[in-house]
Amino acid sequence: DSGVTQTPKHLITATGQRVTLRCSPRSGDLSVYWYQQSLDQGLQFLIHYYNGEERAKGNILERFSAQQFPDLHSELNLSSLELGDSALYFCASGRPRGAPTAISYNEQFFGPGTRLTVL
Amino acid sequence: DQQVKQNSPSLSVQEGRISILNCDYTNSMFDYFLWYKKYPAEGPTFLISISSIKDKNEDGRFTVFLNKSAKHLSLHIVPSQPGDSAVYFCAASAYERDDKIIFGKGTRLHILP
Repeated sequence: DSGVTQTPKHLITATGQRVTLRCSPRSGDLSVYWYQQSLDQGLQFLIHYYNGEERAKGNILERFSAQQFPDLHSELNLSSLELGDSALYFCASGRPRGAPTAISYNEQFFGPGTRLTVL
Repeated sequence: DQQVKQNSPSLSVQEGRISILNCDYTNSMFDYFLWYKKYPAEGPTFLISISSIKDKNEDGRFTVFLNKSAKHLSLHIVPSQPGDSAVYFCAASAYERDDKIIFGKGTRLHILP
């Protein structure tokens, strides 16, 4: 158990709809990262939040948005869903508060993922 | 443009032998590299990492080698055990420059009895 929780575990919805995926980081971690894993694809980095602020963006579509709340949990919002958005969405956390500025900042702890199916 | 490439989608190795998983990268700004292991229906878990100031890092049965001039790294598992059967992801980051980690597509390792 990584200490990172993601809800829901599975989500089935229709094209054109909007969904929200939720992530609770490990206790004390300030960073939340979102990834998408499609069939035959690696983990595609979407976005990184650190202590409530956006720190880096990857291949995130304009239809997708994310935020990190004061309690450090994060939500990934996916709108105008298309069939191609069906994928596993992982959240990872890292960078515990008070950690030294060391390489260990880049170690991430992944949640179990949310499987999104768009029909 | 794939900056981190794992060219072998799968690999089969006899139990007890050495497993070697390879990874190539294109971005010369990458200075920190990680390997993650993933079982079905679970999130990836961190395995081992290496900074660009080193060429080798060892942790038990796992050793990562980095060849900066070739922009190549490899993960050695010896001896291979049945529980090592999983998908292995190579990842890289430009630690001081930005806050994202780029993953490869993964290599599925099968340990044969």
